[in-house]
Amino acid sequence: QKEVEQNSGPLSVPEGAIASLNCTYSDRVSQSFFWYRQYSGKSPELIMSIYSNGDKEDGRFTAQLNKASQYVSLLIRDSQPSDSATYLCAVIGSGYSTLTFGKGTMLLVSP
Amino acid sequence: GAGVSQSPSNKVTEKGKDVELRCDPISGHTALYWYRQRLGQGLEFLIYFQGNSAPDKSGLPSDRFSAERTGESVSTLTIQRTQQEDSAVYLCASSLGGSGGAGETQYFGPGTRLLVL
Repeated sequence: QKEVEQNSGPLSVPEGAIASLNCTYSDRVSQSFFWYRQYSGKSPELIMSIYSNGDKEDGRFTAQLNKASQYVSLLIRDSQPSDSATYLCAVIGSGYSTLTFGKGTMLLVSP
Repeated sequence: GAGVSQSPSNKVTEKGKDVELRCDPISGHTALYWYRQRLGQGLEFLIYFQGNSAPDKSGLPSDRFSAERTGESVSTLTIQRTQQEDSAVYLCASSLGGSGGAGETQYFGPGTRLLVL
């Protein structure tokens, strides 16, 4: 059974700090990895996708993938109170088309 | 068109009644997904359509749940004889449907909030 694990949090960081969100997955042949942000009462919105080992940067966000360790992370630099949300890690395994989601990590950025 | 749309946005029903939830995917997206999210919980996969076929319906929790898709567009999720445990937000997502890379990126609709009294 494919599993995606995230610390439920909350992860509390002060405004301006770096927030580090982590995710591990069980399916070794997983190929595609996604980070979604979900504000309370809203639907998930895509932040970043990553497909190969290493770092991928987009503005204040950096996704990091290590397939050998089955680990994917999201760094948020210069965190803002508006970044306060639940961050969902999602994974697609090879040969599959469906996403497996983690339960999400709640991030709280205090002014 | 714009993004994924879903209707109704909210639905209150009585236990035992049937409900139909509708999803309009992004134009041109061949893949469509239904998820359920209970209050304070993660996303629970229900069913996946590629075109009008459902290659993966492994997440449907019981035979009270069914879904169909027509014209490679609109999808309807039907819950028969609703139970209080069915209360949740039902989310629909669509993707281009290509294997690998950006074709797999799923875009979510706003969801339907179902409350079974």
